[in-house]
Amino acid sequence: KAGVTQTPRYLIKTRGQQVTLSCSPISGHRSVSWYQQTPGQGLQFLFEYFSETQRNKGNFPGRFSGRQFSNSRSEMNVSTLELGDSALYLCASSLVHSSGRFQETQYFGPGTRLLVL
Amino acid sequence: AQKITQTQPGMFVQEKEAVTLDCTYDTSDPSYGLFWYKQPSSGEMIFLIYQGSYDQQNATEGRYSLNFQKARKSANLVISASQLGDSAMYFCAMRALMDTGRRALTFGSGTRLQVQP
Repeated sequence: KAGVTQTPRYLIKTRGQQVTLSCSPISGHRSVSWYQQTPGQGLQFLFEYFSETQRNKGNFPGRFSGRQFSNSRSEMNVSTLELGDSALYLCASSLVHSSGRFQETQYFGPGTRLLVL
Repeated sequence: AQKITQTQPGMFVQEKEAVTLDCTYDTSDPSYGLFWYKQPSSGEMIFLIYQGSYDQQNATEGRYSLNFQKARKSANLVISASQLGDSAMYFCAMRALMDTGRRALTFGSGTRLQVQP
């Protein structure tokens, strides 16, 4: 079974631009979460999507947004990029059982490295 | 609020020896999950092991075991018979209730493990 895939793997943008990152979860996984990893702040939770709805959100400004499609693929968008948005953005997926119970373990993709100049 | 603490920024171990990576946590959520992930220089987060807060026995996965001491709020990772390929960053993480009323992963700052031949 293929793992979580993320595109693009590397991205260079300039301040003020916007960017869209894509994530395809493991087949059958319907919950997708996004994380930001920086040397200064470490790994931080951005948001979680399930059934095309944002289920949970971390403490990030409104410039960070996301969405999920009916096939469970997810995108996240960062508008008006700042230098501090340079980071590794990781996507993770997890299984949701037919009972509605969310499996605890999340499986991560390889990440998208974003550099803002 | 939940918190994960990893007090060892870096560790060295000789090949074939065992090593323990420390992790302590704090949460008011009675139903939480504890995880260890490995992050090689490529950036992908690799799931290693999971321990539920109600699990009576310590989790084991091959050469990895989690030393879960609930009363002391610690969840140390033990790697037996270290291999050169174990050199990587290791993150302890906890899935517990946020202020949003939903659960999300909180990560520690990580421990960089270097296995020496």
